[in-house]
Amino acid sequence: QLQLQESGPGLVKPSETLSLTCTVSGGSISSSSYFWDWIRQPPGKGLEWIGRVYYSGSTYYNPSLKSRVTISLDTSKNQFSLTLSFVTAADTAVYYCARGAAAGTAGWLDPWGQGTLVTVSS
Amino acid sequence: EIVMTQSPATLSVSPGERATLSCRASQSVSSNLAWYQLKPGQAPRLLIYGASTRATGIPARFSGSGSGTEFTLTISSLQSEDFALYYCQQYNNWPPMYTFGQGTKLEIK
Repeated sequence: QLQLQESGPGLVKPSETLSLTCTVSGGSISSSSYFWDWIRQPPGKGLEWIGRVYYSGSTYYNPSLKSRVTISLDTSKNQFSLTLSFVTAADTAVYYCARGAAAGTAGWLDPWGQGTLVTVSS
Repeated sequence: EIVMTQSPATLSVSPGERATLSCRASQSVSSNLAWYQLKPGQAPRLLIYGASTRATGIPARFSGSGSGTEFTLTISSLQSEDFALYYCQQYNNWPPMYTFGQGTKLEIK
């Protein structure tokens, strides 16, 4: 059974870079059948899709975050990562990683990690 | 950007009764719509994809319908574990720019 687990600092200072890692167990991130996605949920707000990476390294980002976001793979560790630069309080959120299907127009996300809360504060 | 609007924001229903949640897209997304259940401290769970296909392991009391701009998630007989937040997501774009609704909180009446 595929499982995903987010990890990283829970507190980041304004203007610094947020870095999170998603460790995948029970399956390989090198599969051509899937994308690997990041999503976030600010406190009291809805879900926001951040972006995704394919096994080839191709990436797609939310245009609203594109200038500050990088998503990458580490196939040797079966992990993928998110970096978000120049963070502000508006980037405070629970960050989730998830697997996305890569067939045709498939864009649903399953499974997800439990999420990790990142607070931006000095 | 395709805007997804869910209604109502909060739905109060008694256990054993039916719950009907709505999701509207600002433009057609065909059947490229998914529903998720979120509970505090737990991984979000995929319920429905393709507007009406239940994900693996999802009980038959969950059903999805609709296409184009209007979608519905129905829970036929609410169990205690069903009281949670529900979100719809469209995935009709390529390159991808996925958007979610603002969520419906399903609470015990």
